[in-house]
Amino acid sequence: KNQVEQSPQSLIILEGKNCTLQCNYTVSPFSNLRWYKQDTGRGPVSLTIMTFSENTKSNGRYTATLDADTKQSSLHITASQLSDSASYICVASGYSTLTFGKGTMLLVSP
Amino acid sequence: GAGVSQSPSNKVTEKGKDVELRCDPISGHTALYWYRQRLGQGLEFLIYFQGNSAPDKSGLPSDRFSAERTGESVSTLTIQRTQQEDSAVYLCASRAGVGRVEQYFGPGTRLTVT
Repeated sequence: KNQVEQSPQSLIILEGKNCTLQCNYTVSPFSNLRWYKQDTGRGPVSLTIMTFSENTKSNGRYTATLDADTKQSSLHITASQLSDSASYICVASGYSTLTFGKGTMLLVSP
Repeated sequence: GAGVSQSPSNKVTEKGKDVELRCDPISGHTALYWYRQRLGQGLEFLIYFQGNSAPDKSGLPSDRFSAERTGESVSTLTIQRTQQEDSAVYLCASRAGVGRVEQYFGPGTRLTVT
């Protein structure tokens, strides 16, 4: 069964600090790994998409890594801002399906 | 350019009633998806439309759920005889077409069945 597990479930950090969110996936066949940001009451917005051959991809202060051998990904947020408070969702894509994690709820505190 | 829009944004209905949710995809996007997001859970795939091909209905949880799409435009998701477990946020996403990976999500419709 395809699964995506994210950790931690929730996280509180101080504004300006860095943090790293983790994602483990069991999806076969595997095509790409995506990270989305979902603000409360809004739809998810794509941050990064990595194919199995990519190890890292950045989008501003967001940097995602992918290890296709161990089926692990991480999302690193640098110099956090209050607007980074959101749910971060990891998604593993097969050829025709997406498997979503439950998300990590991040709260950036002033 | 407008993004994906959904209506209504919130819907409260009584158990047993039918509801209809609407999605307007980004103009020109041939692919359209419906997902369900229950509180504290990951998104669940419901149904996928690609152009004029037969839709992939493999995610629909029961025959009370159905969806239609007119050409490559508006889609409606209908839930008949709603149950309390149908309470969730229903998200629609569109994608430009075959070979394009990125999905663009709407804001969702929050459905509450009382």
